[in-house]
Amino acid sequence: KAGVTQTPRYLIKTRGQQVTLSCSPISGHRSVSWYQQTPGQGLQFLFEYFSETQRNKGNFPGRFSGRQFSNSRSEMNVSTLELGDSALYLCASSLGDSTLHGKAFFGQGTRLTVV
Amino acid sequence: AQRVTQPEKLLSVFKGAPVELKCNYSYSGSPELFWYVQYSRQRLQLLLRHISRESIKGFTADLNKGETSFHLKKPFAQEEDSAMYYCAPWGQNFVFGPGTRLSVLP
Repeated sequence: KAGVTQTPRYLIKTRGQQVTLSCSPISGHRSVSWYQQTPGQGLQFLFEYFSETQRNKGNFPGRFSGRQFSNSRSEMNVSTLELGDSALYLCASSLGDSTLHGKAFFGQGTRLTVV
Repeated sequence: AQRVTQPEKLLSVFKGAPVELKCNYSYSGSPELFWYVQYSRQRLQLLLRHISRESIKGFTADLNKGETSFHLKKPFAQEEDSAMYYCAPWGQNFVFGPGTRLSVLP
């Protein structure tokens, strides 16, 4: 069974641009969550989706948004990129209704660099 | 606001020695408690969650509600335990601790 797949693996964007990251969960998993990992702030939860509905949201500005499709694939979008948005963005999926309360499987991440 | 502290950024122990990774949190309710681990060049993965008493690789975690701590322990450390460990007490907010890098020396 394929694991959680995140695309692209690496991305370089210019300040002010927007970016869309994709996450394909493990087949059969319906819950997807997103995290930001930086050396300064560590691991931070962004948001979680289940059945195309956002269930939980972390403490990030509105520039960070996400969505989930009917096939459980998820995308996150960051608009008006700032230098501080440079980070590793992780996605996780879970068989249950929440990656936050059950066993979550993580992707390898997308490394975003904002220049 | 919910806070999580892992006082040691780096912890080095010798193979076969006991290891304890500390996690303290401040939260008024009863958060769900997790430990996550990231081995070198591998994906982040759930190590254990308090509610299910699951564990992998011989690690256990003791919840002390009075001290609001959730320390991770293993009686005999192995070199393959070297990794980054994150405590995650999740209540109203889903907050990870800053992480402790465990280095098990031969």
